Amino acid sequence: DSGVTQTPKHLITATGQRVTLRCSPRSGDLSVYWYQQSLDQGLQFLIQYYNGEERAKGNILERFSAQQFPDLHSELNLSSLELGDSALYFCASSGTPNSPLHFGNGTRLTVT
Amino acid sequence: KNEVEQSPQNLTAQEGEFITINCSYSVGISALHWLQQHPGGGIVSLFMLSSGKKKHGRLIATINIQEKHSSLHITASHPRDSAVYICAALSSGSARQLTFGSGTQLTVLP
Repeated sequence: DSGVTQTPKHLITATGQRVTLRCSPRSGDLSVYWYQQSLDQGLQFLIQYYNGEERAKGNILERFSAQQFPDLHSELNLSSLELGDSALYFCASSGTPNSPLHFGNGTRLTVT
Repeated sequence: KNEVEQSPQNLTAQEGEFITINCSYSVGISALHWLQQHPGGGIVSLFMLSSGKKKHGRLIATINIQEKHSSLHITASHPRDSAVYICAALSSGSARQLTFGSGTQLTVLP
């Protein structure tokens, strides 16, 4: 058990809808990272937060946004969903940006 | 061309064999991660290394910074080692982003 909790495990929704994915980092970890894993693109870094502040941005679409709350949990909001957004979304946490990563079990999003 | 290249893409081995997975990267990095993804989808971090060699049980990871190359070795492979192994380069500089290789699907036959 990595100590990182992601909810929900599965999400099925329709195109055009909006969903929120939630991540609770391992106790004490200040950094939260979001990744997308799709069949055609593999794993891609989306965004990183450190202690509530955005630290780095990767291939995150403008339709996607994220935030990290004072209790350090993070949410990834996906809006105007398209079929191509269907993927596994992983959250990971670390104590510092140079520490090993601890991954959650992922949220499998299916857009129909 | 991907910034992180892994080989082979697929690897089938017999139980007990010594396995090597290779990773080459073209960018400056601060560290390299080796990850294991199980058939159910969960990802486990195996190693994070910036120089030299690390060992954990039957797994060994090495990195050569000058040659921009890393290897993951599995000794005495076992069917439970069957998984996808992914290397990921952590960029240097202020934006610490991970760039992932495409993964190596390892199947170990009993």
